[in-house]
Amino acid sequence: EVQLVESGGGLIQPGGSLRLSCAASGFTVSSNYMSWVRQAPGKGLEWVSVIYSGGSTYYADSVKGRFTISRDNSKNTLYLQMNSLRAEDTAVYYCARIHRMSPQGGFDYWGQGTLVTVSS
Amino acid sequence: SYVLTQPPSVSVAPGKTARITCGGNNIGSKSVHWYQQKPGQAPVLVIYYDSDRPSGIPERFSGSNSGNTATLTISRVEAGDEADYYCQVWDSSSDQNWVFGGGTKLTVL
Repeated sequence: EVQLVESGGGLIQPGGSLRLSCAASGFTVSSNYMSWVRQAPGKGLEWVSVIYSGGSTYYADSVKGRFTISRDNSKNTLYLQMNSLRAEDTAVYYCARIHRMSPQGGFDYWGQGTLVTVSS
Repeated sequence: SYVLTQPPSVSVAPGKTARITCGGNNIGSKSVHWYQQKPGQAPVLVIYYDSDRPSGIPERFSGSNSGNTATLTISRVEAGDEADYYCQVWDSSSDQNWVFGGGTKLTVL
């Protein structure tokens, strides 16, 4: 059974850093395209970042230069390092797998999400 | 950047058919995916590649895509279908390649 479990969220002051983790089971993270998607309170879904099976990474303009996506193949885990956090980064962060290893594929499996609150 | 436009809300009586639209420039040339999200839960993929259903999704859910509009159709609507629905595409011409619509709140009367 495919499962994604996020962790690492919490309350952080503006300008601070946080690392989110997404532990996967039932499939191999490094053989798939993996992404982070966030949802601000009461708002819609926003794509954040993706890492391809080959290691290429891409970011939304809103987080470029501040967030870094990575993975640990030995732990079958996806990460999102978030630096220079701002109030507008407050959201539930979901990790998700992209179907069929194609950019055109949908997000076929999602984690339960982890809440990041940026506030002083 | 590529924009997807959805109506904020759609209301339908139980047993009737709900149609949720997703507008975008020449969206018919892209693969459209639809997600259902219930309060406090993660999104669930209900339609991918315009009209395919993942396993476990009822046949009542169907999709179409042509021209500038993609449509999610839910037949014989049930109370349990009440949720937010999002369309999504990948746009190779945009920096923000994975684009979501603003979401539509489906209310079952």
